[in-house]
Amino acid sequence: AQTVTQSQPEMSVQEAETVTLSCTYDTSESDYYLFWYKQPPSRQMILVIRQEAYKQQNATENRFSVNFQKAAKSFSLKISDSQLGDAAMYFCAYRGLYNFNKFYFGSGTKLNVKP
Amino acid sequence: EAEVAQSPRYKITEKSQAVAFWCDPISGHATLYWYRQILGQGPELLVQFQDESVVDDSQLPKDRFSAERLKGVDSTLKIQPAELGDSAMYLCASSGSRGVANTGELFFGEGSRLTVL
Repeated sequence: AQTVTQSQPEMSVQEAETVTLSCTYDTSESDYYLFWYKQPPSRQMILVIRQEAYKQQNATENRFSVNFQKAAKSFSLKISDSQLGDAAMYFCAYRGLYNFNKFYFGSGTKLNVKP
Repeated sequence: EAEVAQSPRYKITEKSQAVAFWCDPISGHATLYWYRQILGQGPELLVQFQDESVVDDSQLPKDRFSAERLKGVDSTLKIQPAELGDSAMYLCASSGSRGVANTGELFFGEGSRLTVL
């Protein structure tokens, strides 16, 4: 079975600085989706960014970008110009194409943003 | 914008009582998921529906938990009797079918926070 590993349980960043959250995964598939989800305290889990494995170009959404290293099975999230509203739990997730309706989540990284 | 609706947002109950959570997925989404999330942890899949059929309930404690999606649209998750260890957030999510228009992501509701006293 696929596994998703987030090795940083908690991280802190100063407001306006840049932070990178790590995620690695294990799969034998060649094509799949990867996601980063954000869950603020007591609030809804929302999608931050997605990456399709067949696309070599790293996805970018405003201040959020990923470093997708397919051979290394690594999918890190970079948050630039961190804002107080970025404080949340961040979950990395994997969705394969073989078992299309199965999602695998990491254990999460709690991001603290210091003013 | 289409959303996954869940109710109630919060539920406080005493142990041994019955509780029920309701979820209405995004219209047209055939796949519906119920997850349990302990504070500070990732979501754990309880049950997955494809239309009205259960396709994965391997982690559902079937002695006390039940789930249904009778018409393949909205769904109910029930716990009877509730135990102290059931205190958690119960998340509902939905996803579209494989196809060109599917962006691949999972859409979550706001969750139902259960506290068992």
